[in-house]
Amino acid sequence: GAGVSQSPRYKVAKRGQDVALRCDPISGHVSLFWYQQALGQGPEFLTYFQNEAQLDKSGLPSDRFFAERPEGSVSTLKIQRTQQEDSAVYLCASSSYRGANEKLFFGSGTQLSVL
Amino acid sequence: GENVEQHPSTLSVQEGDSAVIKCTYSDSASNYFPWYKQELGKGPQLIIDIRSNVGEKKDQRIAVTLNKTAKHFSLHITETQPEDSAVYFCAAGEGTARQLTFGSGTQLTVLP
Repeated sequence: GAGVSQSPRYKVAKRGQDVALRCDPISGHVSLFWYQQALGQGPEFLTYFQNEAQLDKSGLPSDRFFAERPEGSVSTLKIQRTQQEDSAVYLCASSSYRGANEKLFFGSGTQLSVL
Repeated sequence: GENVEQHPSTLSVQEGDSAVIKCTYSDSASNYFPWYKQELGKGPQLIIDIRSNVGEKKDQRIAVTLNKTAKHFSLHITETQPEDSAVYFCAAGEGTARQLTFGSGTQLTVLP
């Protein structure tokens, strides 16, 4: 597609529910990132994929957070047993991994509200 | 790890004036410094970036300067327009668009 697509746009969950957030990166982009953005803050790194390999998950805040990209394209971020502190915008970004000209492009995000 | 500080947190300018946003970073290994514009309800949009092998880059009304010795970089917007109003984020990272560390953002308001 023309840009990074994320769904759903908004998600309301009751505390304790599991949620799954989807990201469709720009076609052909090898690298895919998930970031978490709290209200009024800059994005914070969660995890990074190169194709289907998850190369860095150091930013995932707890073992309730899990991300996958099984075929090296679409990615899903799953949050189990959601807590109120998980409320944030979850941003997906992709890049082409072409060396010096690589640039990172973001989707519009999924706004998660945990009640 | 990397730490990026961004100032000011809010900035109001009259239409036509210039706006400057400054960031400092801590990790001398960082060599990629993008700037993003984020409008309400949207994701960050890349507006300009600079790599450590250059000290300045310009794209029409937008310019970025980098001082690697002092570990700071700045965004300059000239001839501001109301549509420039948004939140601007600086970021720093090692290599090409790997894990980026973002500043806390600057809310720019351009008054007509």
